Amino acid sequence: DTGVSQNPRHKITKRGQNVTFRCDPISEHNRLYWYRQTLGQGPEFLTYFQNEAQLEKSRLLSDRFSAERPKGSFSTLEIQRTEQGDSAMYLCASSPWDRGSTEAFFGQGTRLTVV
Amino acid sequence: RKEVEQDPGPFNVPEGATVAFNCTYSNSASQSFFWYRQDCRKEPKLLMSVYSSGNEDGRFTAQLNRASQYISLLIRDSKLSDSATYLCVVNMEAGTALIFGKGTTLSVSS
Repeated sequence: DTGVSQNPRHKITKRGQNVTFRCDPISEHNRLYWYRQTLGQGPEFLTYFQNEAQLEKSRLLSDRFSAERPKGSFSTLEIQRTEQGDSAMYLCASSPWDRGSTEAFFGQGTRLTVV
Repeated sequence: RKEVEQDPGPFNVPEGATVAFNCTYSNSASQSFFWYRQDCRKEPKLLMSVYSSGNEDGRFTAQLNRASQYISLLIRDSKLSDSATYLCVVNMEAGTALIFGKGTTLSVSS
């Protein structure tokens, strides 16, 4: 499978715990995006990377959230001290920006439930 | 004001109907425009880009009015398989964040 891969697909955690999600983009895509989506809403932008550089962070990305893409390939999104309001689908997308394409290819997401 | 606003929906139409979705965006500096489709519990997928001259892909026609900051999507001869949520998306600059609307849900019935 050469699409965007996200793990885990589902995560249930207790409030206050830390969670980490992983995204493996399509090979050679140098742009990687993280979004959050709740029921009835469109995806909300969190942050994006070009290679290993984090170029933009949304104000939605509180100090409890951190994202990394250390080698410019896979990325991780960590949420510390989870709150019930963090329950959402976390979507990762990648794009071959350097080939002039703006199409973003999404993974199937990680559904987080904070209890 | 939200950056991208869409018709609230849901739209419930019979097979064969023509349905139109509208979208407005707030930032006049937006450069690229798209419609994405999202099936229930699935990831969004690009349906089509939207160009100033208007563009068509089979039964789907997209229009952009930069002066009014308005985007539309027309679906002709609706099929059951068109049932999904349609997301209006704008982009300030190629490769930067895509900004999504809330989406409009379409349900096509036989």
